[in-house]
Amino acid sequence: ETGVTQTPRHLVMGMTNKKSLKCEQHLGHNAMYWYKQSAKKPLELMFVYNFKEQTENNSVPSRFSPECPNSSHLFLHLHTLQPEDSALYLCASSQPLGTTGGLGYTFGSGTRLTVV
Amino acid sequence: AQTVTQSQPEMSVQEAETVTLSCTYDTSESDYCLFWYKQPPSRQMILVIRQEAYKQQNATENRFSVNFQKAAKSFSLKISDSQLGDAAMYFCAYLTTSGTYKYIFGTGTRLKVLA
Repeated sequence: ETGVTQTPRHLVMGMTNKKSLKCEQHLGHNAMYWYKQSAKKPLELMFVYNFKEQTENNSVPSRFSPECPNSSHLFLHLHTLQPEDSALYLCASSQPLGTTGGLGYTFGSGTRLTVV
Repeated sequence: AQTVTQSQPEMSVQEAETVTLSCTYDTSESDYCLFWYKQPPSRQMILVIRQEAYKQQNATENRFSVNFQKAAKSFSLKISDSQLGDAAMYFCAYLTTSGTYKYIFGTGTRLKVLA
């Protein structure tokens, strides 16, 4: 396992469902991120948390709601999604922002989300 | 705003041969980092190599090396002695070191390794 664990690995949900994606890391990192990966598009940064505080919301629709209860866990709550939200959702963690950002991220294996 | 461009959607290389993946970027910053990430079918993004912009020497990690041309804003990845396990999507990424330290990724290059 990579150090960053994402569950579930696959998720199929209807447009009226509510579900949550979970990300967990025990690397001692204090910055965590949600990215959306769609086919033939660059990875899109969604949210950034630094020491449990949200520091970036990249104009993400409110049907995506992040939660970071502590530095080791990050959730993405999903509600009334659209078919175009189907994608691979990647979580990553790193050293705190503003410090050794050049060390790079550690990514999870993602959740493949299909909205039907 | 910074942009990262990978103009090769797909590349193929014969096993044991060498291949170069291209990446160009645009920025007005002087201090930044560049990365290559590999995403195999397992979907986990793995850091391959990184280059700090202030370093003139090209980074090398075993069979992986970069050709960093700062003035030309070019950052290509060379894979020597290609192996079947190198088959993956490769993403070039720019890390801005101002503000929120966020990554900007290219669209990726799919590398196929032929036996």
